[in-house]
Amino acid sequence: EAQVTQNPRYLITVTGKKLTVTCSQNMNHEYMSWYRQDPGLGLRQIYYSMNVEVTDKGDVPEGYKVSRKEKRNFPLILESPSPNQTSLYFCASSLVGLTDTQYFGPGTRLTVL
Amino acid sequence: GENVEQHPSTLSVQEGDSAVIKCTYSDSASNYFPWYKQELGKRPQLIIDIRSNVGEKKDQRIAVTLNKTAKHFSLHITETQPEDSAVYFCAPHSGGGADGLTFGKGTHLIIQP
Repeated sequence: EAQVTQNPRYLITVTGKKLTVTCSQNMNHEYMSWYRQDPGLGLRQIYYSMNVEVTDKGDVPEGYKVSRKEKRNFPLILESPSPNQTSLYFCASSLVGLTDTQYFGPGTRLTVL
Repeated sequence: GENVEQHPSTLSVQEGDSAVIKCTYSDSASNYFPWYKQELGKRPQLIIDIRSNVGEKKDQRIAVTLNKTAKHFSLHITETQPEDSAVYFCAPHSGGGADGLTFGKGTHLIIQP
């Protein structure tokens, strides 16, 4: 089944404790991205990747890192999480780029205490 | 980057009536105009899209119309049903590889029984 998966789905952590949210797609998509969703602010792009080893900042990249070593995986890294990073995170992928359908993962709800 | 605005932010309609959501954008080079639907607790999913060489597209009860001159496009839902209750997002783009993707802040559609 074609899909985008994320893990974990729910995470409660404490300030400063490094964490990684994994994202994987099995559709051989070139474009992958991360979004955070906050009430009243919609979906805001954190980072995106046009292909392996190519990543770029989105609108809200501060406090986040990403890597794209393989085409199928695009992990989101929070080196030192802070409470303002409490949010719902979505990974998404598309075949080529931004004029293709974005396929979203199920979401990761992160709480930083 | 693209400046995207959606109106209204909340729309309440009686079941069976029509709903219209408008998305305005700033980049005159935009040529792809999608609408995503996010049900409560679920991931966003594409419901309809249109490209700039087409003025209108219809799929059963939903349609999208595009006015490139005025830089806006609209989502039309006719004969609304309870399952149409959701948040709807637009995400216009030009397809340029250097830019990320900006979503509108979303419109919460409420279908009143």
